[in-house]
Amino acid sequence: DAKTTQPNSMESNEEEPVHLPCNHSTISGTDYIHWYRQLPSQGPEYVIHGLTSNVNNRMASLAIAEDRKSSTLILHRATLRDAAVYYCILNLLRNTDKLIFGTGTRLQVFP
Amino acid sequence: KAGVTQTPRYLIKTRGQQVTLSCSPISGHRSVSWYQQTPGQGLQFLFEYFSETQRNKGNFPGRFSGRQFSNSRSEMNVSTLELGDSALYLCASREGDAPGEFFGPGTRLTVL
Repeated sequence: DAKTTQPNSMESNEEEPVHLPCNHSTISGTDYIHWYRQLPSQGPEYVIHGLTSNVNNRMASLAIAEDRKSSTLILHRATLRDAAVYYCILNLLRNTDKLIFGTGTRLQVFP
Repeated sequence: KAGVTQTPRYLIKTRGQQVTLSCSPISGHRSVSWYQQTPGQGLQFLFEYFSETQRNKGNFPGRFSGRQFSNSRSEMNVSTLELGDSALYLCASREGDAPGEFFGPGTRLTVL
């Protein structure tokens, strides 16, 4: 299973954009890039996923490097509620599912 | 739709006992996966069930087992509990091959 590398922690102020990086230099051509987050005392929550093109949804944007060896999750305006551990995961999107979670990035948001 | 539910939410057992945890997926979701979360090892995949069949398994000893019923509800069982089995056990469900797993709140198991 391909590995991902993320910074242990990041900080942001409320209402500022946040760019959470993820390196996945051993990604294969069929791996999708998924992001989940885990709020305190809750199970993980799906955020976004992509393969090659940048993606946007109501929660965040995902920017994927042209060589696919790295990606960035973008929170356009951080809120206190976005304080969580963010996980970048590579996953084959087909009929079998097995998420390999790394250590993730703990995001702190200050008022 | 109601989310993924897990019961019980908290459980205390002693070494050597066995435990059964239950998970009800989101209505219509046929894939159910189980994960163990500990401070030391993080989130680790246990197994996945689809249509009552285990189709993927993580690297856990045989003491950890599971099953899925025809209504997609799933149970996981841990026999001969060890102190190191103390963890948050998370269940997640998915709709067919759609991206994104929906996680439940977890069952926190403490082994004394």
